[in-house]
Amino acid sequence: EAGVTQFPSHSVIEKGQTVTLRCDPISGHDNLYWYRRVMGKEIKFLLHFVKESKQDESGMPNNRFLAERTGGTYSTLKVQPAELEDSGVYFCASSRDRGFYEQYFGPGTRLTVT
Amino acid sequence: AQSVTQPDIHITVSEGASLELRCNYSYGATPYLFWYVQSPGQGLQLLLKYFSGDTLVQGIKGFEAEFKRSQSSFNLRKPSVHWSDAAEYFCAVGAKAAGNKLTFGGGTRVLVKP
Repeated sequence: EAGVTQFPSHSVIEKGQTVTLRCDPISGHDNLYWYRRVMGKEIKFLLHFVKESKQDESGMPNNRFLAERTGGTYSTLKVQPAELEDSGVYFCASSRDRGFYEQYFGPGTRLTVT
Repeated sequence: AQSVTQPDIHITVSEGASLELRCNYSYGATPYLFWYVQSPGQGLQLLLKYFSGDTLVQGIKGFEAEFKRSQSSFNLRKPSVHWSDAAEYFCAVGAKAAGNKLTFGGGTRVLVKP
């Protein structure tokens, strides 16, 4: 069974540019989560999809961040325009459909905004 | 609101020695508790989890953790560390009432001396 994959692994962009991060969850996992770790801080929740619907987006920092999950499969997280404080590692995780199950994490995307 | 504290930012341990990583959580009800490990260049890997039942849980790679409700703790232990255990360890708490999102501690980086 393939794990959670994320693309790209690294991205370096200039302030004001746009970046799109992609996450492919484990096949059959309806729940998809985005988390972020900025330098020296703890990993923080951004949002949660159940299939294609946003279940909880309370952790999204501001309206420069837009997450989508087309057809309940892969998800994208777009940052537009990027700011310096957006630098960090963005993790995606997925879990099965009912109850509370462990979340399986991807390797993360390291985003550097210069 | 949930919160997780990992008091030790860094720990250095000799190979073959025992290891204990501390985790304290704050949550009104019984939480779901997790330990994840992130090795250099890797994503987050689940070591073990506690949902209910036996308060001493066994995980992968020889790790175990004990849930102590009275102390609001979920400390991770390993009797004899290997050089490959050098990594960053994260304690996390989740709850259905919180929409299953995870709240992480700040992480503990473990260095293993030969």
